[in-house]
Amino acid sequence: NAGVMQNPRHLVRRRGQEARLRCSPVKGHSHVYWYRQLPEEGLKFMVYLQKENIIDESGMPKERFSAEFPKEGPSILRIQQVVRGDSAAYFCASSQGTANTEAFFGQGTRLTVV
Amino acid sequence: KQEVTQIPAALSVPEGENLVLNCSFTDSAIYNLQWFRQDPGKGLTSLLLIQSSQREQTSGRLNASLDKSSGRSTLYIAASQPGDSATYLCAVETGANNLFFGTGTRLTVIP
Repeated sequence: NAGVMQNPRHLVRRRGQEARLRCSPVKGHSHVYWYRQLPEEGLKFMVYLQKENIIDESGMPKERFSAEFPKEGPSILRIQQVVRGDSAAYFCASSQGTANTEAFFGQGTRLTVV
Repeated sequence: KQEVTQIPAALSVPEGENLVLNCSFTDSAIYNLQWFRQDPGKGLTSLLLIQSSQREQTSGRLNASLDKSSGRSTLYIAASQPGDSATYLCAVETGANNLFFGTGTRLTVIP
C-alpha cells in the first residue's frame, strides 16, 4: 500500500532545459496538489488537479509551468526552459476528496538548475 | 489573503524538556489546521489534523490546540527526544482546496 510516490527524487537540469516531475498518488485518490518549497521559504501552493482537469492553478507561474493529471498514469509537473530560480523542492500531495480531507505528501523532487 | 506565521523560527532544547510551537493565521475561515514534520531532505509527515470545529487533538506525546477565533494554534511536545529534531510546519486549509503553510520552526533536541 504505497503512499504518494514522486520521481525522480533529485533532478539536475541546465538552464534552458525542460524538467518533468512525476507524482503517483495514493491508490484510489483522484485529487492531486503540487507545492513548491523555495530555499528558506515555506511551501507554496501551485496547482490542484482532479483526474484530467485543472481545478485551481492560481499558484502556478504564468509562463513555462504546466501540469496535467491524465486518466491513466501519474500527474506531471512540467517546467520548460528552466532558470536558476526554479531550483526548489517540489512536493506532490493527494487526497480522496475535496476540501477538508487529509492530504498525503510525497517525499518531493529536488530540482537543481545549473 | 491567508498568511500563516510560525514562531519561533528555530528552537533548541535539552532532551526531556516540554516545549510549545506556535502558529498564527490571519483568516479564521478555515476548514482545518494540520501540523506536519519535515526531516532534512525528506518529505512531509502529517502529525495532527484539527477540524475547524475542534479545539485540540492528541497523538502520543503531541498535543495540538486550535483557537480559530483568535487565529492561533499551538503544538505541544512532551518529554522531547533527540528523534524529535526536525522542522515543524503548520498549514491551514481554506475553501480553495489548498493548504497555506507557515515557514516552519526548526527544532533541535540536544541529547
